[in-house]
Amino acid sequence: GAVVSQHPSWVICKSGTSVKIECRSLDFQATTMFWYRQFPKQSLMLMATSNEGSKATYEQGVEKDKFLINHASLTLSTLTVTSAHPEDSSFYICSARDPGTSDYEQYFGPGTRLTVT
Amino acid sequence: GQNIDQPTEMTATEGAIVQINCTYQTSGFNGLFWYQQHAGEAPTFLSYSVLDGLEEKGRFSSFLSRSKGYSFLLLKELQMKDSASYLCAVVDSSYKLIFGSGTRLLVRP
Repeated sequence: GAVVSQHPSWVICKSGTSVKIECRSLDFQATTMFWYRQFPKQSLMLMATSNEGSKATYEQGVEKDKFLINHASLTLSTLTVTSAHPEDSSFYICSARDPGTSDYEQYFGPGTRLTVT
Repeated sequence: GQNIDQPTEMTATEGAIVQINCTYQTSGFNGLFWYQQHAGEAPTFLSYSVLDGLEEKGRFSSFLSRSKGYSFLLLKELQMKDSASYLCAVVDSSYKLIFGSGTRLLVRP
């Protein structure tokens, strides 16, 4: 159980375009999902916390107008990178918390590799 | 502020034992996770500790001392497939996961 999927697994886009990444909890309802970004040889940095039915909470330094997060259902959160630039190229990972099993553990999706040319 | 320190890189020999240390200073503490991450993949769960002491799980063991803000991950009988990054992460007072920079472990034959 506790499987999280992401789509797409990789995407290449041109500078100035927008890209949407989906994160789904497949076998549980996730009231809270998290979005992380990871640059090469670095650790995961939390971008925002996504709560179902409410606005996302962004970490300091993360532009909410550039990284749009929508958590419209208990199994789906989306991250849209708007007007992407080459410096947005990164590995984006989502995670979800299953309130039925743990207050703390997060289940990670497989990640999305974004390359902006 | 939040601060989690781990060594950047470690090298060990196949069959040996390696200990990866993690020290932390965070706003609150609700447990500590260790994850393994292979390049280009998502982290996979290794252990979760919220009480002091040593927990053994097969070849992997984890230790926690809350009073010292210290944890380590012990890997025994190293295998080539253990070459990966190992991430220490603390659950802070707002239940966020704060990650350390990760330790890249290289296992040599």
